[in-house]
Formats: sequence, structure tokens, C-alpha cells
Amino acid sequence: NAGVTQTPKFRILKIGQSMTLQCTQDMNHNYMYWYRQDPGMGLKLIYYSVGAGITDKGEVPNGYNVSRSTTEDFPLRLELAAPSQTSVYFCASSSLGQGASSYEQYFGPGTRLTVT
Amino acid sequence: GENVEQHPSTLSVQEGDSAVIKCTYSDSASNYFPWYKQELGKGPQLIIDIRSNVGEKKDQRIAVTLNKTAKHFSLHITETQPEDSAVYFCAAGLRYGQNFVFGPGTRLSVLP
Repeated sequence: NAGVTQTPKFRILKIGQSMTLQCTQDMNHNYMYWYRQDPGMGLKLIYYSVGAGITDKGEVPNGYNVSRSTTEDFPLRLELAAPSQTSVYFCASSSLGQGASSYEQYFGPGTRLTVT
Repeated sequence: GENVEQHPSTLSVQEGDSAVIKCTYSDSASNYFPWYKQELGKGPQLIIDIRSNVGEKKDQRIAVTLNKTAKHFSLHITETQPEDSAVYFCAAGLRYGQNFVFGPGTRLSVLP
């Protein structure tokens, strides 16, 4: 199993450009999450999904959009990139509500995004 | 909503010594408290967790304690090794909830 994979690993965007961060998990997890991590800060939840077709806002959703058409994929869309969106983005998944004994979130390796 | 504070922000210890990281939370409804370790260039990874009906949990050199009354929990690492050097995050939330609130992290350096 690859676990949670994210692409790209690094990206530089110009202000106003758009891009999609890809996230795929092969563990058949129902829950998926997007976080951003700013230097010296903890993880802030952007959006999460409890299953295909269902998404909801987290703590810092402004400037982002998500979709969940399949169990495996949870892409994050940035429209009109701004310098404030410079951060490291992590995707995660978990099996909450599937009878699992663990509530662990499995994280991908991250995407480092710079907006200039 | 939940608010999680974490101290210290940086911690340096000599190899073989113990390290303690402390977190406080604000929402008395929170009942699940995981700890994640993040190595350089990688995503966080769960190392231990505790539920609110348990006061202490141990896994080899790692232990977590929880004081529900005071709303604080701590991570204890004994006999530290260089490979323990990383950033550690605590989090708090509902066990069956959709998300947890993470603390700001503690950068632990184990000096040889």
C-alpha cells in the first residue's frame, strides 16, 4: 500500500494563478482532510470530507475549494493564489466510523507551495 | 471551539535524559488526545493517543498522562535517543468527531 500520496511536492505560483493539489489514498478510508502548516505553527484544517460527495469547511477554508467524487481522491483547488497561501499543505485520511479501533489520521508527505 | 496550547515550543535534552511536553485544552467535551511526531520533510505520524476515560497510557519509552479536571495532558519520553529529534504535536477533539485541533508544536532536539 502506498498510503496517502500527494502531488506535486513543490510548486511556485504567481499571485492570481490557480492550481489543484492532488491527494489520493489507497486504504479505503472514508474520512479525508486538508491541512495547512505555516512555519512554527500547528496544523490548521482547511476542508474535510466524510465520504464521496460530502465535504465541509474546517477552520481556514477561505480561498480554497474541494471536491470528493471518489473514495480515493480529494483534490484541493486554489483560486486566485495570494501570498498568504504560501504554506505546506498536508492531506490526511482516517477510517473513523468504519468500526476501526484506531482514530489515527494518516498523513501524506506534503506539498510546499510558494506564492510570489 | 477547542483551543490547544503547547509548551515548550523548543526543547533540547541530552541523549538518555527524559523529555516532557505539556498541552492544555479548553473544551471539556473533548475526549480524545493524540500525539503526532513530524520528522523533517515528512507528514506527521501518530505515536500515541489517549482517551478521556484513561489517566495514563504507556508504549515502551513513550507515555501520555491526562488530567481531565485541569484540562491538560503531557507526553513523556524516557531514555531519549537522537532519532527522537523531531517536532511533536498534541491534539484534542471528539473521538468520533470529524477533526481535531492541533497544538503549535514542540521542536525536540536530542543532543548526543
